[in-house]
Amino acid sequence: QVQLVQSGAEVKKPGSSVKVSCKASGGTFSSYTISWVRQAPGQGLEWMGRIIPILGIANYAQKFQGRVTITADKSTSTAYMELSSLRSEDTAVYYCARGGVGATVSYFDYWGQGTLVTVSS
Amino acid sequence: EIVLTQSPGTLSLSPGERATLSCRASQSVSSSYLAWYQQKPGQAPRLLIYGASSRATGIPDRFSGSGSGTDFTLTISRLEPEDFAVYYCQQYGSSPPTWTFGQGTKVEIK
Repeated sequence: QVQLVQSGAEVKKPGSSVKVSCKASGGTFSSYTISWVRQAPGQGLEWMGRIIPILGIANYAQKFQGRVTITADKSTSTAYMELSSLRSEDTAVYYCARGGVGATVSYFDYWGQGTLVTVSS
Repeated sequence: EIVLTQSPGTLSLSPGERATLSCRASQSVSSSYLAWYQQKPGQAPRLLIYGASSRATGIPDRFSGSGSGTDFTLTISRLEPEDFAVYYCQQYGSSPPTWTFGQGTKVEIK
């Protein structure tokens, strides 16, 4: 059974960085992609970027270019999302989600449980 | 950038009723690249429909998706108590790779 288990909640100061992890199990990590999607309190879903672990290539939403870095460690089947220059508007639940390649590239079939990141002085 | 607009914002219905949710795209979207998710409070989204009309594994057949071009619909034929939730449509664009969500439709108990 596929599972994505994320790291715990974080409280950060404005201007700092946060790094959230997402450990995959039950599937072949390198056969899929991992995206990061965030949800501000009471708001909708926003895609931030994704990584193709087998290639180590990441794509980012234009909104987050230069501020987000997504990496993956194939040896531990873990993906990471680091967001820098945090501001209060970055307070949100951050989800990792599994995507496919080829014909299954367009949707996310498994999701992590979410990590609450609170940015507050 | 393609914008997805969902309507209505909130749908107030009773168990057993039919729910029809709309997702309209600002430009034509390939049917292969349109998905629907369900999200309950405090939970991660769950994939319901992909490729506009294909049910994901384990999704009951009361959920169905349809549409093409710029207009897509999620239909819940008979609402069960566990179906009251927020529903999001999502599209994929390939050049460059991007995923966009609608703002969501909340289905609440009337």
